[in-house]
Amino acid sequence: EPEVTQTPSHQVTQMGQEVILRCVPISNHLYFYWYRQILGQKVEFLVSFYNNEISEKSEIFDDQFSVERPDGSNFTLKIRSTKLEDSAMYFCASREGQGGANEKLFFGSGTQLSVL
Amino acid sequence: QKEVEQNSGPLSVPEGAIASLNCTYSDRGSQSFFWYRQYSGKSPELIMFIYSNGDKEDGRFTAQLNKASQYVSLLIRDSQPSDSATYLCAVPSSGTYKYIFGTGTRLKVLA
Repeated sequence: EPEVTQTPSHQVTQMGQEVILRCVPISNHLYFYWYRQILGQKVEFLVSFYNNEISEKSEIFDDQFSVERPDGSNFTLKIRSTKLEDSAMYFCASREGQGGANEKLFFGSGTQLSVL
Repeated sequence: QKEVEQNSGPLSVPEGAIASLNCTYSDRGSQSFFWYRQYSGKSPELIMFIYSNGDKEDGRFTAQLNKASQYVSLLIRDSQPSDSATYLCAVPSSGTYKYIFGTGTRLKVLA
């Protein structure tokens, strides 16, 4: 069964460093997402991406964050200068399209980011 | 601010019983509704979706939707210890791209 894949599964970085989290969405999906979950808290929306551009972003997604789809398969989240509060599990997700079953959102296994 | 509300639990049920999980949402324009299961330290796993009023059954799971009351529930029949997890309700926000998640209900199935 097709799945969303994410790498790395764990990332440890020093405060102020840049990190890039990588994702390969399901191949025929058109809508891509990044969510994050701080330990013990809810799954929070960061950004959605459709038709090669950001379609929506949350207040969390400030200038330190960026997303890119550099080729036909990869979808990346970059955090330019990490802060302690960026420590969280980051999930990539994708869905096929609009309406009914096409809106099923599938998640990758996540990248646990630890900022020291 | 569009909200999705769930009781955080824990909800404890004995093995073999029916577990009933509830979710309310504020966005009247929402059309589809999703239930995810999340084991500790893992990613959300889609287990049910529903977009018509009424019941939808899939194996031991039944999703129930009442749009008039803005209420969606998940029933798990013949609960097993392996069902012990946090169950997340997710609702695509109308007019936007994002899905709003509830805080989740922690279910414990006691052997």
